[in-house]
Amino acid sequence: SQKIEQNSEALNIQEGKTATLTCNYTNYSPAYLQWYRQDPGRGPVFLLLIRENEKEKRKERLKVTFDTTLKQSLFHITASQPADSATYLCALPISSGSARQLTFGSGTQLTVLP
Amino acid sequence: NAGVTQTPKFRVLKTGQSMTLLCAQDMNHEYMYWYRQDPGMGLRLIHYSVGEGTTAKGEVPDGYNVSRLKKQNFLLGLESAAPSQTSVYFCASSYSTSGNTGELFFGEGSRLTVL
Repeated sequence: SQKIEQNSEALNIQEGKTATLTCNYTNYSPAYLQWYRQDPGRGPVFLLLIRENEKEKRKERLKVTFDTTLKQSLFHITASQPADSATYLCALPISSGSARQLTFGSGTQLTVLP
Repeated sequence: NAGVTQTPKFRVLKTGQSMTLLCAQDMNHEYMYWYRQDPGMGLRLIHYSVGEGTTAKGEVPDGYNVSRLKKQNFLLGLESAAPSQTSVYFCASSYSTSGNTGELFFGEGSRLTVL
């Protein structure tokens, strides 16, 4: 089954800078990949989905890229704000035959310093 | 709309006791899921359901049972709790017609401690 690695457990950046989070996966290339935000004591909230035939997806200050050759997705938050501080999870299908069953990375905890 | 509601939010059990976690969604979603989240391990899928009356195993099903008697409810049962089942449990649901890429809507979690 799929294995996901997200870069460093914690990332601290200064307000206004761009945060870049990495999601690497092993095994097969998924048809899509999703990113979620999770605040302490809360459930994850969906942010963005990118499909295998899309190189880049944007939503307001968020940008996601998907490189199936590198087996990697990058998640960018531009002009970061302290309110962006949270844990960010990437998720993708468990296996090629299970498109609707998602497996999640352990997440990257982002702290934006004022 | 309440979205996805989980009860109880907190529970402490002794080893060997049984309990049931209830998940209810009011979005008319076909798909429902139970995940557990442990430090450093991410969310792991326990069981899921693609519709009323159907259930299937996920990545870590051992020690758990589920039932989906009504479309809006998905129950997770622990017949004989073990300390290894101490975790935060999340229920999620999704649409069935989203190009097969349905985003998940999560509940707020149920924190279970087994002593």
